[in-house]
Amino acid sequence: GNSVTQMEGPVTLSEEAFLTINCTYTATGYPSLFWYVQYPGEGLQLLLKATKADDKGSNKGFEATYRKETTSFHLEKGSVQVSDSAVYFCALSDHGGSQGNLIFGKGTKLSVKP
Amino acid sequence: DGGITQSPKYLFRKEGQNVTLSCEQNLNHDAMYWYRQDPGQGLRLIYYSQIVNDFQKGDIAEGYSVSREKKESFPLTVTSAQKNPTAFYLCATNPGDRGAGANVLTFGAGSRLTVL
Repeated sequence: GNSVTQMEGPVTLSEEAFLTINCTYTATGYPSLFWYVQYPGEGLQLLLKATKADDKGSNKGFEATYRKETTSFHLEKGSVQVSDSAVYFCALSDHGGSQGNLIFGKGTKLSVKP
Repeated sequence: DGGITQSPKYLFRKEGQNVTLSCEQNLNHDAMYWYRQDPGQGLRLIYYSQIVNDFQKGDIAEGYSVSREKKESFPLTVTSAQKNPTAFYLCATNPGDRGAGANVLTFGAGSRLTVL
């Protein structure tokens, strides 16, 4: 079945450091790919998405490119801030299941120190 | 403002009791979902509903029940049959169409259930 694997955390960085959180997927067909962010005690928020190969999603300085050849959707940011501290989830649309249902990775906790 | 309201935010339950978590939305979205979140395990789908009066089991439906009598509401009941109910529960919605919002989930703030 479809699945998502993302790097285990926690990831601890200093402010202004470069961030990469790896995400790879297994899927049949052509799923859409997503990054969601969860701040402490809150629900998830959509950070960015890409719907087809070679698409680049971007938002708030974060970027991720849909790489079909490597089945990857790595999240990057050039200069992190303390306010970026959160848990980040990679997800894919499960077209084999209900429309709109997403399969999530286990999440990667990011802590940014001043 | 349009959004999803989950209540209560925190809930404590004694073993053997049923509890119901509320999820209300004013986004006019057709599809609604319940996910369970445990530390280090990501999100797992419990139930989902694509239209009123219809719902389907997700990956971990055992010990849970839902109803969808109104488009705006999708309550989740955690029954005494659920062996390990302590978790963070998230409700989400989706427009249910194939436009720009296809497959994009909007989440509520969550309800944390603790079994004493």
